Formats: sequence, C-alpha cells, structure tokens
Amino acid sequence: AQKITQTQPGMFVQEKEAVTLDCTYDTSDPSYGLFWYKQPSSGEMIFLIYQGSYDQQNATEGRYSLNFQKARKSANLVISASQLGDSAMYFCAMREGPYSGSARQLTFGSGTQLTVLP
Amino acid sequence: DGGITQSPKYLFRKEGQNVTLSCEQNLNHDAMYWYRQDPGQGLRLIYYSQIVNDFQKGDIAEGYSVSREKKESFPLTVTSAQKNPTAFYLCASRQGVNEKLFFGSGTQLSVL
Repeated sequence: AQKITQTQPGMFVQEKEAVTLDCTYDTSDPSYGLFWYKQPSSGEMIFLIYQGSYDQQNATEGRYSLNFQKARKSANLVISASQLGDSAMYFCAMREGPYSGSARQLTFGSGTQLTVLP
Repeated sequence: DGGITQSPKYLFRKEGQNVTLSCEQNLNHDAMYWYRQDPGQGLRLIYYSQIVNDFQKGDIAEGYSVSREKKESFPLTVTSAQKNPTAFYLCASRQGVNEKLFFGSGTQLSVL
C-alpha cells in the first residue's frame, strides 16, 4: 500500500486565490512527521512546512499552512494568496517513528503540479 | 553561503560505463542521502549515511555504490549493473532534530 498518496497530478489556481493540495498517509506508528516540499523547474527541493503527529495545532509558515486531520490521516497543504512564483511541483513526505540519531529517511508522494494563472 | 553542491548538472553515460555523481555540503550535517526521481514520480531513496565511514542501503540500492570518507562528501557511483540509470538524482543532508532535509540542485543522468 502507498504510504503517501497525492491524488491530484495537476492543479490550477488563479493568482491571489487560495489553493489546497491534498495528501493522505498511511502508518500504524503513533509517532511520525509530515513534510511538504516545493520543487520548481530548476529541480531543487525546497522545504515548506512540517507537522509532527503530536503537535496540537496546525503548522503555519507565512502563506503556507498545513490542514492536519489525524483521524482521517490527511495533511493537506493550503497556500493562501497564490503568486506566479508558486507554480511548481509539490511533494508531501512522511517520516515514520520518533526522531532518533538512527532515524531513517522520508517517504515521498508522487507530487502535484501546481500552475498559477495570471 | 552554506549549502549542498551537486555536480555535474548534466551527465551522460555510455553502455557498460560507471559514472560518479558528486555531492558536497558545508552545512556540517552528519546525515546525507541520495534520492532518485523519475518523471512524474516522487523521490526514492538509494543510499544514506548517518556518519562518516558508514552508510546503509535504501529502497533501490541495486546498481549503485557510495562512499563516505569525509563528512562533507557523499559521492554516488552509478555502475554498469544499473540497467535503467536515466533519472534525476538528488542529494540531501539532514538538519537536526526535526528531520528537515536540505537538497542540492540535482544531476540529470542520461544514457547515450
């Protein structure tokens, strides 16, 4: 089974509007972390936001917020006031297990290509 | 400025040839990672290293090899045993407690 599912291969949004990118995850571990990364056409992966499974409040970073619904196992990214520079591929990722010095790596979803229209 | 440098940006491999992708970081991070990205897909882990002189296989290690002789460097060799090497390769290093990864700008490998 897929551990991270992003069901929207592509999304369009009008400039200055808000957009939600979906992410669902699958884990039986009570301790985990969820990440969103942005990949512009240049290829570099840019960290956007992080949510821990025990965090009481939804994470926010500037125009980015994470709509964390633990019971539904969803971690949707909300981008407010979209800008042309937001056009990129967006990846949801998960780290399973508590952080430790030997903690492993992130598991990535297949991504959503966001296009912001002028 | 601190960061991760990958080189070259584009690389071509002939049949039966081994090629090495470079990854250097000056962030003083202990952990480093290599991911492979195929078109329209997410990233898959090839190898990772938590500390100098130690590394572990990821999910798709066959046909690849790595070394970690220095903290700053984590080169990836794509061997002739890797039959489908065409992909975009990303190197990353890990910052501290919350497992945030910093990425390089990637290397596009193609087969001639």
